[in-house]
Amino acid sequence: AQTVTQSQPEMSVQEAETVTLSCTYDTSESDYYLFWYKQPPSRQMILVIRQEAYKQQNATENRFSVNFQKAAKSFSLKISDSQLGDAAMYFCALTNTGNQFYFGTGTSLTVIP
Amino acid sequence: DTGVSQDPRHKITKRGQNVTFRCDPISEHNRLYWYRQTLGQGPEFLTYFQNEAQLEKSRLLSDRFSAERPKGSFSTLEIQRTEQGDSAMYLCASSFVPGLAFFGQGTRLTVV
Repeated sequence: AQTVTQSQPEMSVQEAETVTLSCTYDTSESDYYLFWYKQPPSRQMILVIRQEAYKQQNATENRFSVNFQKAAKSFSLKISDSQLGDAAMYFCALTNTGNQFYFGTGTSLTVIP
Repeated sequence: DTGVSQDPRHKITKRGQNVTFRCDPISEHNRLYWYRQTLGQGPEFLTYFQNEAQLEKSRLLSDRFSAERPKGSFSTLEIQRTEQGDSAMYLCASSFVPGLAFFGQGTRLTVV
């Protein structure tokens, strides 16, 4: 079975500062994908970043980067130079075959001006 | 707009009524997913289509729920005899590449 755990229900960060959101997962598969999705109050889930498990290099998308620790089954998201528009619910997700995505319970991020 | 489109955005229905939601995926995306999200929770998987074939179905999907994807294009999710516990946001997502899904804005269902 696949599980995703986000142990931080809420996080806050000062504007322009850096914040890291934590995620751990469990899967018995060797090949899988990990994601961070952002869900603003408008409720549409937006893909932030994607990591293929076979790639050792951590994915980066502009101000967003991940720290993927495969042995520890950890997948944290770092947001640099935080902006007010980054305030949202962030979900960590996992899929292996692409047939089903497993989501964590989310971390609500507040950006303080 | 070339994103995933869901209709309606909001639906209020009386308990016991049937409701149907529609999802139009991104053009040429052969994979389509339905998820349910309740307040403060992450999305929960309901079902998955590859083209017109329904390949996976969650145990969450009781016999009151049915989903179709005729011709492998748009999809519908029907809930029969709605219950208050069905109140949630119903999300649709589509994908062409395994492991890369794009979500629609969702349909918020309120059962009164």
